[in-house]
Amino acid sequence: NAGVTQTPKFRILKIGQSMTLQCTQDMNHNYMYWYRQDPGMGLKLIYYSVGAGITDKGEVPNGYNVSRSTTEDFPLRLELAAPSQTSVYFCASSYSKGGAGDTQYFGPGTRLTVL
Amino acid sequence: GEDVEQSLFLSVREGDSSVINCTYTDSSSTYLYWYKQEPGAGLQLLTYIFSNMDMKQDQRLTVLLNKKDKHLSLRIADTQTGDSAIYFCAAADGGNTGKLIFGQGTTLQVKP
Repeated sequence: NAGVTQTPKFRILKIGQSMTLQCTQDMNHNYMYWYRQDPGMGLKLIYYSVGAGITDKGEVPNGYNVSRSTTEDFPLRLELAAPSQTSVYFCASSYSKGGAGDTQYFGPGTRLTVL
Repeated sequence: GEDVEQSLFLSVREGDSSVINCTYTDSSSTYLYWYKQEPGAGLQLLTYIFSNMDMKQDQRLTVLLNKKDKHLSLRIADTQTGDSAIYFCAAADGGNTGKLIFGQGTTLQVKP
């Protein structure tokens, strides 16, 4: 199993540009998550999904959109990039809710800079 | 909602024990987790503990949970330079979403 994979690893955007961060997992996990990690800070939840076709907002959803058309993929879309979106973005997945199924497995991250 | 707090920095000498502390607010959190993040990498699960346990030991790692005080700690015995990393405490939010609430991370510096 590759686990959770993310592309690209690095990206520089100009203000106002758009892009999609890709996330794929091959563990047949139902739950998927997008976080951002700002320097010296913990992780903030942007969006999450409890299954294909179902998504919901986390703590910091403004400026982002997601979709979940398949179990495996959970892309994060940035529209009209702003410098405040400069961050490292992590995708994670977990098997289920409750119990040890809450254990989340993380991708390697995408480092995004908006200039 | 749940809030998770950690101290930001800990420095120890190689061979000493390290203790990283964490407090949380939501007593309904069923599982609590410790993740490790090495520079430029994603988060790696180290261990977790169920809320009805007081202690869990896994090789050099010992997790202590004081549910009354909502206090969690991670002890690393015989700390090595390879243990230098950021350690995150996380609590399951008790809802039906599988969400985890993370602390801000403790940077562990191990001096040779």
